Amino acid sequence: ETGVTQTPRHLVMGMTNKKSLKCEQHLGHNAMYWYKQSAKKPLELMFVYNFKEQTENNSVPSRFSPECPNSSHLFLHLHTLQPEDSALYLCASSKWGTTIYFGEGSWLTVV
Amino acid sequence: EDKVVQSPLSLVVHEGDTVTLNCSYEVTNFRSLLWYKQEKKAPTFLFMLTSSGIEKKSGRLSSILDKKELFSILNITATQTGDSAVYLCAHYTNAGGTSYGKLTFGQGTILTVHP
Repeated sequence: ETGVTQTPRHLVMGMTNKKSLKCEQHLGHNAMYWYKQSAKKPLELMFVYNFKEQTENNSVPSRFSPECPNSSHLFLHLHTLQPEDSALYLCASSKWGTTIYFGEGSWLTVV
Repeated sequence: EDKVVQSPLSLVVHEGDTVTLNCSYEVTNFRSLLWYKQEKKAPTFLFMLTSSGIEKKSGRLSSILDKKELFSILNITATQTGDSAVYLCAHYTNAGGTSYGKLTFGQGTILTVHP
């Protein structure tokens, strides 16, 4: 238990659906991250928010839309995804550039 | 572009065996190397290595960094079935001295320990 909580843990959505992934931490961390883990590929950084401001966007397609209303909550809004977007989406957080802690992940299947 | 390469990609052993997992890296502005263990859930932090030649130990797991040759190894002695997992190596950097970090991961090594 790392203190980073993600919901839902599993999500199946159609290509025309709109859904959201949620992440929260009450660890007092200032930075929150979205990572994507696809089969047979390394974990890839998608977005970084620091003190709720986006500081990194790793050339992520616009069908993924992050939102960070405060330093404790992070969302990933999903719209018109493709089957190849099926993956494990991991949220993480850290405090002042120290160790990054991951949530349990949200398994996404796009049908 | 930072690059982290792990080998082998998969490994099958029997309980009691000792295993060595490898991680090599080519990065700009090295800061530290991290090892994580991932079962079917969140990667859990194992070690952070910053200085060359200093071994980090935790029970049956140990890790060391060689900054001259740009690699790290993770050793697991007397393996148990509970060690079965994906082991991830990642380069950690603070981008431009900022208050957050960035991780560049290797592909991971899938370790399977049979009874």
